[in-house]
Amino acid sequence: KAGVTQTPRYLIKTRGQQVTLSCSPISGHRSVSWYQQTPGQGLQFLFEYFSETQRNKGNFPGRFSGRQFSNSRSEMNVSTLELGDSALYLCASSAGGVSQETQYFGPGTRLLVL
Amino acid sequence: AQKVTQAQTEISVVEKEDVTLDCVYETRDTTYYLFWYKQPPSGELVFLIRRNSFDEQNEISGRYSWNFQKSTSSFNFTITASQVVDSAVYFCALGGKETSGSRLTFGEGTQLTVNP
Repeated sequence: KAGVTQTPRYLIKTRGQQVTLSCSPISGHRSVSWYQQTPGQGLQFLFEYFSETQRNKGNFPGRFSGRQFSNSRSEMNVSTLELGDSALYLCASSAGGVSQETQYFGPGTRLLVL
Repeated sequence: AQKVTQAQTEISVVEKEDVTLDCVYETRDTTYYLFWYKQPPSGELVFLIRRNSFDEQNEISGRYSWNFQKSTSSFNFTITASQVVDSAVYFCALGGKETSGSRLTFGEGTQLTVNP
């Protein structure tokens, strides 16, 4: 079974621009979660989508948004980029049941904001 | 609120030594789940183990073993006879109904370096 895939793997943007990251979950998984990883803040939860609905949201400004499509693929968007948005963005998928299931992570997208 | 603490920021050992990574957690949930992930330099988080709060049986898998103790809110991870390929950042994570859905709270991570 193919793992979680994320595109692109690397991105360089300038302040004020916007960016869209994509995540394809493991086949059959219906939940997709996004995390931001920075040296200063560590791994922080952004949001989770399940069956095209946002099920959970972390403490990030409204510039961070996401969506999920009917095939469970997910995108996250960051508008008006700031230098502090430079990070590794990780996507994880799970079956999405009621209990806390194992999340499997993709390779991440490294975003650099100049 | 949920919290995970990995007090060891960096550990350096020589190959074939045993090493234990510590993890202490806080949660108000009675049902919760604990995880260990490994992050090699490539960046991908690799799943190692999942434990639920009802299962305190410790586990051994090859060179890896885990010690879950609810009484001390700890979920420690031991690598026996470490190898250079074990060098990575190891994260302990917590999930449960307090935060709902699939949200995980991660510790700060422990950088393990195994020297030849």
